[in-house]
Amino acid sequence: GEDVEQSLFLSVREGDSSVINCTYTDSSSTYLYWYKQEPGAGLQLLTYIFSNMDMKQDQRLTVLLNKKDKHLSLRIADTQTGDSAIYFCAESPHLAGNMLTFGGGTRLMVKP
Amino acid sequence: DAGITQSPRHKVTETGTPVTLRCHQTENHRYMYWYRQDPGHGLRLIHYSYGVKDTDKGEVSDGYSVSRSKTEDFLLTLESATSSQTSVYFCAISESNRQETQYFGPGTRLLVL
Repeated sequence: GEDVEQSLFLSVREGDSSVINCTYTDSSSTYLYWYKQEPGAGLQLLTYIFSNMDMKQDQRLTVLLNKKDKHLSLRIADTQTGDSAIYFCAESPHLAGNMLTFGGGTRLMVKP
Repeated sequence: DAGITQSPRHKVTETGTPVTLRCHQTENHRYMYWYRQDPGHGLRLIHYSYGVKDTDKGEVSDGYSVSRSKTEDFLLTLESATSSQTSVYFCAISESNRQETQYFGPGTRLLVL
């Protein structure tokens, strides 16, 4: 079956850039997503990218996709303490809510 | 915040007892989802609904049933809770089935002893 892998933990200093990585195995993945989960809350969709794109930028967030290596990354520029959260990568063959496969999440800690 | 609430927010129960979790929305959205979140697994879809009385199974549906008798409520039932069902349960809603429109509730933490 499909598999989505992420590293468990990342620690950065405030103001630095953060890069959270994700690998996936399903070659039919068409949509790849990044979600943010703050303590005690549900998941919030940050951004998504279609598989025919290499990069997507949205303010401080940059998503890079290497489809050949099945590698997705999320770069957060000028990381702030409010960015501390768990970040989940997910993939889907369709833009449909019932087809998502999530990674285990990366906990980002931002030190002042 | 999207108008989505879950009840209870925390529950401790014993193995073999029935448990029902409620998701309530005030957005009149068509789609509702139940996920469980476990360490190292992200979220996994249990069941979802695409309208009143219309539901379908997700990835981890064994041991769970759902009901949706009206648009605003989606119930998740564990007929006979087991320790493996200890988890955090999230409800989500969406107006369409497009992923970018999905909003999550605050979660219910369930402990089965």
